Amino acid sequence: AQSVTQLGSHVSVSEGALVLLRCNYSSSVPPYLFWYVQYPNQGLQLLLKYTSAATLVKGINGFEAEFKKSETSFHLTKPSAHMSDAAEYFCAVSLSGSARQLTFGSGTQLTVLP
Amino acid sequence: DTAVSQTPKYLVTQMGNDKSIKCEQNLGHDTMYWYKQDSKKFLKIMFSYNNKELIINETVPNRFSPKSPDKAHLNLHINSLELGDSAVYFCASSLGQASNTEAFFGQGTRLTVV
Repeated sequence: AQSVTQLGSHVSVSEGALVLLRCNYSSSVPPYLFWYVQYPNQGLQLLLKYTSAATLVKGINGFEAEFKKSETSFHLTKPSAHMSDAAEYFCAVSLSGSARQLTFGSGTQLTVLP
Repeated sequence: DTAVSQTPKYLVTQMGNDKSIKCEQNLGHDTMYWYKQDSKKFLKIMFSYNNKELIINETVPNRFSPKSPDKAHLNLHINSLELGDSAVYFCASSLGQASNTEAFFGQGTRLTVV
């Protein structure tokens, strides 16, 4: 079985501040982990994914995430928030990496304040 | 040049009606999916389909049926709509189902059953 918990359904940061979105997973085997972003009126877009090659994963738009097995976490960070980062962010886990087995968290709405 | 497009974007209908949501992808992908996002924003897979197999999530009622006229389309038919069917439905596609494939999502269809 696999599951994902995203702590904080809403996160607000000031423009230029650090972005930290939390994700903890539960999986019976080493998982594949993903972060997706959904901008208003758009579909989900893949930000980055962890496939066991490296624990620190860099994605698009300056985002990165670190896989910490001991903490079962895969938190998403960005050093400096931009207004265009305002969106809904979803963490997801898959045992096989296949989209057919993706299990999503409930999402975190990021608001960037001027 | 939208990669995965769904129509309609919004759908309001009465209980008991039959409705369809259309999905088209122009990425040349061979696998398509339908996901349901409930009121708590959890995304769960309903179906995955390619030209070889249809895999149905066992929790999906048989009132829901995917129909694929060709590789670029996977429509979702829903019979005898119920209040609990109200949700956002996302279509997605990928090239194959292996771990190194990325799923591309449509912008979603918000279905409201009244």
